[in-house]
Amino acid sequence: AQTVTQSQPEMSVQEAETVTLSCTYDTSENNYYLFWYKQPPSRQMILVIRQEAYKQQNATENRFSVNFQKAAKSFSLKISDSQLGDTAMYFCAFMRVLNTGNQFYFGTGTSLTVIP
Amino acid sequence: KAGVTQTPRYLIKTRGQQVTLSCSPISGHRSVSWYQQTPGQGLQFLFEYFSETQRNKGNFPGRFSGRQFSNSRSEMNVSTLELGDSALYLCASSTRPGRDYNEQFFGPGTRLTVL
Repeated sequence: AQTVTQSQPEMSVQEAETVTLSCTYDTSENNYYLFWYKQPPSRQMILVIRQEAYKQQNATENRFSVNFQKAAKSFSLKISDSQLGDTAMYFCAFMRVLNTGNQFYFGTGTSLTVIP
Repeated sequence: KAGVTQTPRYLIKTRGQQVTLSCSPISGHRSVSWYQQTPGQGLQFLFEYFSETQRNKGNFPGRFSGRQFSNSRSEMNVSTLELGDSALYLCASSTRPGRDYNEQFFGPGTRLTVL
């Protein structure tokens, strides 16, 4: 079975500082994708960043980067130069590639507050 | 291009009733997935539809069902509602399922409260 664990229910960071959100997952699959999604208060969930398991290079999207440790099954998100608009719930997700389609598994989320 | 829309946005029902939620995907998207979001459980996958066929199903009881129409719009039905069904129900659409990645775009969700 696939599981995704986010061990930090809540985190806070000062504006302009850097914060790292943790995520671990468990799978026996070899072909999969990992994602971080952001859900701002009362707003729609949007994709922050994705990582293909077969790629060793860590994904980066502007101020967002990941530390993907495949052997350790760890996938953390680093937010640099935190901004007030980064305040949101962040979900780590694992996507399993199946012949019938893709199946997603989400963690329980980390609520991030950026403090002015 | 319009995003994923879900109706209604809020719903209050009582135990034992049934409810139908609707999701209209982004134009051109043919795959629709449904998720249940609760504070303690995060998002849990309910099912995925493509070309009017259920492709994948999560671990939910048979009270949860869905369907997809020829225009790719999807409905989710929950019968005999229980208090524990109170949640935010999210719909996500993508171009198609497959053996590679297709980005999911989420709707705003339907907040269901069961009294």
